Amino acid sequence: DTEVTQTPKHLVMGMTNKKSLKCEQHMGHRAMYWYKQKAKKPPELMFVYSYEKLSINESVPSRFSPECPNSSLLNLHLHALQPEDSALYLCASRFTSGSYNEQFFGPGTRLTVL
Amino acid sequence: GQQVMQIPQYQHVQEGEDFTTYCNSSTTLSNIQWYKQRPGGHPVFLIQLVKSGEVKKQKRLTFQFGEAKKNSSLHITATQTTDVGTYFCAGPRYGGATNKLIFGTGTLLAVQP
Repeated sequence: DTEVTQTPKHLVMGMTNKKSLKCEQHMGHRAMYWYKQKAKKPPELMFVYSYEKLSINESVPSRFSPECPNSSLLNLHLHALQPEDSALYLCASRFTSGSYNEQFFGPGTRLTVL
Repeated sequence: GQQVMQIPQYQHVQEGEDFTTYCNSSTTLSNIQWYKQRPGGHPVFLIQLVKSGEVKKQKRLTFQFGEAKKNSSLHITATQTTDVGTYFCAGPRYGGATNKLIFGTGTLLAVQP
């Protein structure tokens, strides 16, 4: 299994809602990422988990709360979002062997905040 | 801060024409990776270059890493409609955690049949 899965594919939520995005990989990768991507822009890093511990938080607002329950799963909990948070949220995992690195991206969750 | 710029932002070609995108980093990179994102899709890894001056080929795609390890290019020979998408270069953050990638600004390729 060489893929990263994400659910849901699409999500529409109001500014007072609480929702969660889910990401799963079974490739044994020990680094997992959340990215935010706006239209016509590159992916922008939000969080990195390494061996299930949060290693990088790119000064993301606290209305985004990541969680890594185990080495295969990554969640992103959303609460009190703003319309400008509407974007494609991508999960990725990283394969590393020596100096070789490759990130595997999931299909993303397209989020709309009303 | 560290920046990775790509030119052009957008390129429209006729099928069969060649295409090149250039990637320039404000800092030296330990390696450079290239990703392709189809419209409505997600980034897909194409290749990693590590050595100064390295050149790698994948069928019609040729990737180069500059001698100073601050720039890179992707050249596609005889484009096809399947080449449509945005091409991103990406490099590790300079002086920081190597597991953080800085993505370039991207080049959107449109191919007219």
